[in-house]
Amino acid sequence: EAGVTQFPSHSVIEKGQTVTLRCDPISGHDNLYWYRRVMGKEIKFLLHFVKESKQDESGMPNNRFLAERTGGTYSTLKVQPAELEDSGVYFCASSQDFGGQTYNEQFFGPGTRLTVL
Amino acid sequence: AQSVTQPDIHITVSEGASLELRCNYSYGATPYLFWYVQSPGQGLQLLLKYFSGDTLVQGIKGFEAEFKRSQSSFNLRKPSVHWSDAAEYFCAVGARGNTGKLIFGQGTTLQVKP
Repeated sequence: EAGVTQFPSHSVIEKGQTVTLRCDPISGHDNLYWYRRVMGKEIKFLLHFVKESKQDESGMPNNRFLAERTGGTYSTLKVQPAELEDSGVYFCASSQDFGGQTYNEQFFGPGTRLTVL
Repeated sequence: AQSVTQPDIHITVSEGASLELRCNYSYGATPYLFWYVQSPGQGLQLLLKYFSGDTLVQGIKGFEAEFKRSQSSFNLRKPSVHWSDAAEYFCAVGARGNTGKLIFGQGTTLQVKP
């Protein structure tokens, strides 16, 4: 079974440009998460999809970030326009549906390293 | 506010030596607790988790962790480190009853000397 995949693995863009990151979760996983790690800092939650719906987007830094998950499969995270402080590693994770107090393991992709010059 | 602290940014140990990575959390109740490891070029891999019950949990690759409520700690241990354990280790908490969002510590980079 394929794990969580992310594309591209690296992206170098100039300030003001647009970049789109893609995440393909494990097949059948309803939950999809985006996290970000800025250099030297902790990994921080950005948002959570359940199927195609945004369940929690409390971690999105500002309106330059737009996440979508059309059809409840893969997800994209667009940054437009990119700023220097957006540089970092963007992780995607997915997990099976859970109910009640059950907590299912999140499986992480390798991340996309974004550098904004 | 929920937070996780990993006091050690870098740790170096000799191969075969024991290892303990520290993790302290701040949360109003007993959270879900996790340790993840990231090797270069790889995604985060779950080493072990604590939900409830026995406070000493066993994980993969010979790791274990102990939940100590009185100290708000969840330290990771391994009795004998192998060169392949060199990686970055993350402690994380997940709040009960929410959507599964994880809160991470800053990570500890482990270097293993031959």
